[in-house]
This record gives sequence, structure tokens and C-alpha cells, in this order.
Amino acid sequence: QKEVEQNSGPLSVPEGAIASLNCTYSDRGSQSFFWYRQYSGKSPELIMFIYSNGDKEDGRFTAQLNKASQYVSLLIRDSQPSDSATYLCASWTGTYKYIFGTGTRLKVLA
Amino acid sequence: GAVVSQHPSRVICKSGTSVKIECRSLDFQATTMFWYRQFPKQSLMLMATSNEGSKATYEQGVEKDKFLINHASLTLSTLTVTSAHPEDSSFYICSASSPGANTEAFFGQGTRLTVV
Repeated sequence: QKEVEQNSGPLSVPEGAIASLNCTYSDRGSQSFFWYRQYSGKSPELIMFIYSNGDKEDGRFTAQLNKASQYVSLLIRDSQPSDSATYLCASWTGTYKYIFGTGTRLKVLA
Repeated sequence: GAVVSQHPSRVICKSGTSVKIECRSLDFQATTMFWYRQFPKQSLMLMATSNEGSKATYEQGVEKDKFLINHASLTLSTLTVTSAHPEDSSFYICSASSPGANTEAFFGQGTRLTVV
């Protein structure tokens, strides 16, 4: 079974610190990876996606992909209380299907 | 980014009735739409994939006669929960995407269904 796994958390970090969220996937055929943020009672919203090995930066966010290790991560620099949410990692398998992890709940403490 | 509009955002219905949820892509043609269900503190569970002009593909364990999906045009997909029961109460979310390798899924706002 193709899976995307995340630690459910909660991950608690102080305001201003770096939050590191991790995700592993089982399907080596996965082509792209997405990080979504979901606030309670709301739909997921895209933070960023990555499809090449290495790092991709967008503002305070950096996504990292290591296909050999089947590992994706999201770093949030200068964490703010408003970043407190559940972060979903998703892979796109190339058959028009997204596979979502269970999400990691992040708490940024003021 | 592209906009996907889902309606209604919240609905309460009586047990045994049917509820229709609409998902529209407002500024792009969505050849594929996905319907998810999310229970509290759980991740998104894919229910079905709908392709314009063809029958939806349902995930294992999802009753296709209970969750009717219609994708009649490139901008509209509907999910009808038939003969709803309290255990169908959940957060239903649609997403849409266009063909392509690195395309993101654009999510609707979600529909909170409560069956009483």
C-alpha cells in the first residue's frame, strides 16, 4: 500500500524558532510532493511543492526532498503563533491521485 | 492560484434525506476532481476521483450508491449523499486539478455536514 507518513505531533516550538516537519513516502514512483497547511475547520491551503532533489525556499518556508531516502521535510523559520496549524504532506503519484499523510500538528508558543 | 468554490459550506439535514454538495472550478478547466472526507483530528480520506464525462472511480470501502458523484462539465462536480445517516456527518472537501506532472490540487472551502 502506498503511504505517506508523518508524526502526528503536536510539535511545540517557541515563537521565533525554526519548526522542522518531516514526511516519508513509500512509493518510489511519486513525482511531486506538496505541503499544505490546514487550520481547524478549514480546507487545506498550499504552502509549496517540490519535485527535484534538494532545497526549495519560499519566504520563511524551505522544502527539502531526498528521493534516495524517500524523505520530504518543511522548515519554517521565525515561527509565529499564526503558523500553529496542522501541516499535511502529500505525494502525487502520476496517476492523478494525491496521497496525504495524517498531518503534523504544530504549536508555536508565544 | 486557481479558485475552487464549494457550496454549501455548512448543512444540517434530517436522517434519511439526501444532500447535494457542489464543487466548481472558477477560473480553470478541471478535468479531474477529487472528493475527500475528513473526520475530526484525522487526515483527508479520498472517497472518489471524478473525471469529466465519465464515471467516478471510488476508493475501496466507499459505497458508490450512497455517495453519488457527477462531473458533467469541466467546471462542476457534485457529490450527493443519499439517505444520510448521523455517521455520515463529516467535513467533505473537494479539490480540482488540471493535467500535468507538478500540478497542485486546489481545494474548495469544504462542507460541514451534520445529520440529525
